[in-house]
Amino acid sequence: ELKVEQNPLFLSMQEGKNYTIYCNYSTTSDRLYWYRQDPGKSLESLFVLLSNGAVKQEGRLMASLDTKARLSTLHITAAVHDLSATYFCAVVNAGGTSYGKLTFGQGTILTVHP
Amino acid sequence: DGGITQSPKYLFRKEGQNVTLSCEQNLNHDAMYWYRQDPGQGLRLIYYSQIVNDFQKGDIAEGYSVSREKKESFPLTVTSAQKNPTAFYLCASKGGSQPQHFGDGTRLSIL
Repeated sequence: ELKVEQNPLFLSMQEGKNYTIYCNYSTTSDRLYWYRQDPGKSLESLFVLLSNGAVKQEGRLMASLDTKARLSTLHITAAVHDLSATYFCAVVNAGGTSYGKLTFGQGTILTVHP
Repeated sequence: DGGITQSPKYLFRKEGQNVTLSCEQNLNHDAMYWYRQDPGQGLRLIYYSQIVNDFQKGDIAEGYSVSREKKESFPLTVTSAQKNPTAFYLCASKGGSQPQHFGDGTRLSIL
């Protein structure tokens, strides 16, 4: 059974600082997603990572994937208040009866303060 | 404007009552999904459908039912057998290699 774990679950950052959110998963997968959720709102897709060594960047966020280590990171550079949200990673099940299904991490609640 | 519409935004259920959450998409996506989100937790898959007239149970299907009679529509019924239905319900659809696209959700509470 695929398990996805994020850490930290809670992250309080000062504006201007850098930090990394980690996403570990337990079985082989060929696709990983990062989503953002604002309080009471839907999920917004941020990144799709398809292969080992993939790196995607959008503004102050950069995501990477290491399929051998079964690890993805979401790096935040020079945080600003607008980045405050909950961030989820989600991993695609690569085989068996669960093929194609997404398994989500618990989410990381990020708060950026002055 | 293509997207997913979930209704209602807020829903209240009385004891012993079945309620149905609507999910409609005009993205021409084949696959549709229902998730449940509890406070401070990730999303858990209830049911999914890869194609019209076919659907499969997800990880927490007990107490829920779905239908997929049209490509655009994937309603979720929360039955009286679901003893703890209070949660945020999210519907998603997916086409090709794109990420799942989510609706705005329905918040269900017990009266």
